[in-house]
Amino acid sequence: RKEVEQDPGPFNVPEGATVAFNCTYSNSASQSFFWYRQDCRKEPKLLMSVYSSGNEDGRFTAQLNRASQYISLLIRDSKLSDSATYLCVVNPTGGFKTIFGAGTRLFVKA
Amino acid sequence: SAVISQKPSRDICQRGTSLTIQCQVDSQVTMMFWYRQQPGQSLTLIATANQGSEATYESGFVIDKFPISRPNLTFSTLTVSNMSPEDSSIYLCSVMAGVSSTGELFFGEGSRLTVL
Repeated sequence: RKEVEQDPGPFNVPEGATVAFNCTYSNSASQSFFWYRQDCRKEPKLLMSVYSSGNEDGRFTAQLNRASQYISLLIRDSKLSDSATYLCVVNPTGGFKTIFGAGTRLFVKA
Repeated sequence: SAVISQKPSRDICQRGTSLTIQCQVDSQVTMMFWYRQQPGQSLTLIATANQGSEATYESGFVIDKFPISRPNLTFSTLTVSNMSPEDSSIYLCSVMAGVSSTGELFFGEGSRLTVL
């Protein structure tokens, strides 16, 4: 089993749609969780950290479910510019090694 | 935040040769990380480079194949040695913000390597 697993997609959605991605992790002792965004042929950039209580940043909401060992990302009112690959990232040990999921590709169409 | 410059941004190399990738950070950082992203795949950590000590390599990566230098707190190099087509990949340099392990990772733009 991979340490971090994501549905690779692609998700094809119309503008204005709501889309949700899930990510599961295998190490129950994992400490920190993040969503990164990677545009085509670009480097990954932090989208948001995921906190135990859940957090929201504009149209983006991240949730953590420790009991089921998954995190989620919800995007509301999708924009064309949201088209990208979304990477689930987990810090399993509290050290400096981070594990990246394979990414979920999102295409938002007009 | 951190600004990271990598070069070369891309290169096409012959089998059996070696290529050195340079990574320059605009601030002093304790640890620098080298990742590989193969086509259609996610990022895999190659090694962690600390200034003044040998790099720590992840399982599946060895120093003879990927020697790393870290001469100071703002610079590192990764060499891909004796290249084969399987080494065709994007190689990314990264640093972590702050001193906490929960900090944001900043990446260079990557070095896209094609081995013929």
